[in-house]
Amino acid sequence: GAVVSQHPSWVICKSGTSVKIECRSLDFQATTMFWYRQFPKQSLMLMATSNEGSKATYEQGVEKDKFLINHASLTLSTLTVTSAHPEDSSFYICSARDQGTDLNEQFFGPGTRLTVL
Amino acid sequence: GENVEQHPSTLSVQEGDSAVIKCTYSDSASNYFPWYKQELGKRPQLIIDIRSNVGEKKDQRIAVTLNKTAKHFSLHITETQPEDSAVYFCAAKGSGNTPLVFGKGTRLSVIA
Repeated sequence: GAVVSQHPSWVICKSGTSVKIECRSLDFQATTMFWYRQFPKQSLMLMATSNEGSKATYEQGVEKDKFLINHASLTLSTLTVTSAHPEDSSFYICSARDQGTDLNEQFFGPGTRLTVL
Repeated sequence: GENVEQHPSTLSVQEGDSAVIKCTYSDSASNYFPWYKQELGKRPQLIIDIRSNVGEKKDQRIAVTLNKTAKHFSLHITETQPEDSAVYFCAAKGSGNTPLVFGKGTRLSVIA
């Protein structure tokens, strides 16, 4: 099956700093990637849809200036949490589809656990 | 947009018994319904999925049923084992290249 990687797997940062998370599709091209956030004991909540070569589409309530998304190539999308605060501490998971084979199944990265002190 | 409801939020069963988790969705155009198992700190793992042209699908001890008229789908796990203990999420996807929308999850505990 298609493989999605994320880096880093975990990160601890000080309040006010910025953190970049990378999401890569390793064996397929993804024109669209999705970013989810999962707080402890909660479900995956969609933050934004990342589109290669164009602006991301953000879900209601997600600040686009705080969560910067760049999808510069068909295999890489990045999420930058700017001026992170403790309430941004969460598990961030990216996901992508191999649109060349299936328009439905989404493949998930291993997630990035962000802890903001 | 799509809204997915999932019940129950927690479920405890004795080893060997069956477990059933139910979900409803709101968008009648949704056509793809996967189920995921997630262990603590890990990514969701696809365990079975069903598409809108199928009413039931089975894979060994796991089965999923879909009722498009009622807009609900269910996960059935038979002969449960302790290693089935995890959080299970249902999800639904609308038409086109739209993202999956998840239910709130069910924490399944299988008691040996």
